[in-house]
Amino acid sequence: KNQVEQSPQSLIILEGKNCTLQCNYTVSPFSNLRWYKQDTGRGPVSLTIMTFSENTKSNGRYTATLDADTKQSSLHITASQLSDSASYICVVVRGGGADGLTFGKGTHLIIQP
Amino acid sequence: IAGITQAPTSQILAAGRRMTLRCTQDMRHNAMYWYRQDLGLGLRLIHYSNTAGTTGKGEVPDGYSVSRANTDDFPLTLASAVPSQTSVYFCATREQDSYNSPLHFGNGTRLTVT
Repeated sequence: KNQVEQSPQSLIILEGKNCTLQCNYTVSPFSNLRWYKQDTGRGPVSLTIMTFSENTKSNGRYTATLDADTKQSSLHITASQLSDSASYICVVVRGGGADGLTFGKGTHLIIQP
Repeated sequence: IAGITQAPTSQILAAGRRMTLRCTQDMRHNAMYWYRQDLGLGLRLIHYSNTAGTTGKGEVPDGYSVSRANTDDFPLTLASAVPSQTSVYFCATREQDSYNSPLHFGNGTRLTVT
């Protein structure tokens, strides 16, 4: 069964600290993996995409990694800011023509001043 | 550019009533989707449309219907609302040309069925 598991479910850190969110998946065949940020009361917005051949990709203070062998991805946030408080959702796209999307349940991140 | 407009923003609805959630996009994307988001369950696909004139069922289609008369509009109808349909509903679009294209989401409709 195609599944995406995210951990932790929720996380509270102090402003300025770093944190890492995890995403493990069993989706096959794999096409790509995307991280979304969802602010409270808003729709999710794409942060970054990881394709099969990519190991690391940065978008400002956000760095995503992908290990296609172990089927794991992480999202690292550096020098957190209050505006980073949000839910972060991992979405894996299935390849092979099916174009199915499998969503994780998200990690709820709270940055405290 | 508005992107995706959903209406209403929120609604309280009596059980048994009919309700249509509206979604309009101005990006001319071919594919459109309706998701519901519930605490602890994440986003689940209700219905989708790959192009105008076609629709398909997602993971949780029961109790919902959609139509896609043109590229821009993708309304979601609850024929007879039940309390289990209390949720936040998100409309999304996507360029269908590549698996690498992202979903673009509206800001949701918060629906409470009493």
